[in-house]
Amino acid sequence: GAVVSQHPSWVICKSGTSVKIECRSLDFQATTMFWYRQFPKQSLMLMATSNEGSKATYEQGVEKDKFLINHASLTLSTLTVTSAHPEDSSFYICSARGGPPKEDYGYTFGSGTRLTVV
Amino acid sequence: GQNIDQPTEMTATEGAIVQINCTYQTSGFNGLFWYQQHAGEAPTFLSYNVLDGLEEKGRFSSFLSRSKGYSYLLLKELQMKDSASYLCAVRDSGGSYIPTFGRGTSLIVHP
Repeated sequence: GAVVSQHPSWVICKSGTSVKIECRSLDFQATTMFWYRQFPKQSLMLMATSNEGSKATYEQGVEKDKFLINHASLTLSTLTVTSAHPEDSSFYICSARGGPPKEDYGYTFGSGTRLTVV
Repeated sequence: GQNIDQPTEMTATEGAIVQINCTYQTSGFNGLFWYQQHAGEAPTFLSYNVLDGLEEKGRFSSFLSRSKGYSYLLLKELQMKDSASYLCAVRDSGGSYIPTFGRGTSLIVHP
């Protein structure tokens, strides 16, 4: 089945630094990738949608200059949290869509990244 | 957009049956997903309903009523490992086709 690999699983960084999170589709070409953020006991909130080779579409309220998304190939999308602050601490999850029709209707999630900004 | 409502938390006993409800409001409906999410992990797909009725898959079943904007996930023969958050997600018929997630229902299964 389709597999999406997300790295790192967890990261701790100092306030003011930048962190890059990678999302790779391992056995299919992901035409579209989605980035979500989830705070404790909260819903998955869509941050942005990225299509290979074009600019990401950000949801309302998400700062595009702070959360940089690059989808340079059909198998890799990256999310860079720039100048991270403690309030950016959250669980970030990517989801990829593409490949042959599957039972889950094409939304395959990565394993998530726990970001802690100190 | 969608407005999705599900209970925050439920508890049940091992071996029992539990029903988790989800109500939604959307301008155009194009499918409802149920996902299971263990703490610190990504969601895993459980079911997808787009037509009214019951979809059964092993111990898990999902029901949809489009006219009522209502779905439920039914878990039978509960096991301790079923303790997790269960997310209801609705996809609208707009151009994006991206599911919007509810807050999730935290299910605690006790012996």
